Amino acid sequence: DGGITQSPKYLFRKEGQNVTLSCEQNLNHDAMYWYRQDPGQGLRLIYYSQIVNDFQKGDIAEGYSVSREKKESFPLTVTSAQKNPTAFYLCASSSGQGSTDTQYFGPGTRLTVL
Amino acid sequence: AQSVTQPDIHITVSEGASLELRCNYSYGATPYLFWYVQSPGQGLQLLLKYFSGDTLVQGIKGFEAEFKRSQSSFNLRKPSVHWSDAAEYFCARGTGGFKTIFGAGTRLFVKA
Repeated sequence: DGGITQSPKYLFRKEGQNVTLSCEQNLNHDAMYWYRQDPGQGLRLIYYSQIVNDFQKGDIAEGYSVSREKKESFPLTVTSAQKNPTAFYLCASSSGQGSTDTQYFGPGTRLTVL
Repeated sequence: AQSVTQPDIHITVSEGASLELRCNYSYGATPYLFWYVQSPGQGLQLLLKYFSGDTLVQGIKGFEAEFKRSQSSFNLRKPSVHWSDAAEYFCARGTGGFKTIFGAGTRLFVKA
């Protein structure tokens, strides 16, 4: 079955640590996205990638980094520079037509800072 | 700036009753509008979308939405709610680039 997988489902981080969230898709989609979800705030775009080896900052990129070395993979690193990283992180993909396109979402990773 | 507003943070309806979730978008060129649903602890799933044409759009799970340009609205409706419809619902707008603007969401509670 085609879809998007995210791992781990739950992640705990100590202050000052970097952590990497995994996102893999087998939908053959060109575009991939990372969102952060906080209660009552909807989804906010962190980074997006239109094609391999290219990515763009979203609205809240500070303290985050990404890479897109393969079409099917778009990992997100939450660095120690992110002051309030506790949140639910969602990865999505679309066929590459931009925001006119349906986005397909993974099940999410819940990150908690201890 | 373009925006999407969902005025209701949460709504409670009885099972079998009708449902309407409100969504308003800021003015802009032809809007690309979406409704997504999120079950607790899960990702989002597309219910329906509107780009052009017939202003009444049918989606999955018995949902429909009506685009009203004069009111800048794209409200989601369902004639008879089932307990399994309890979830959070997000209205979203495509901006024409790669950025999608999401509303803050409306959480639906269904009572027996």
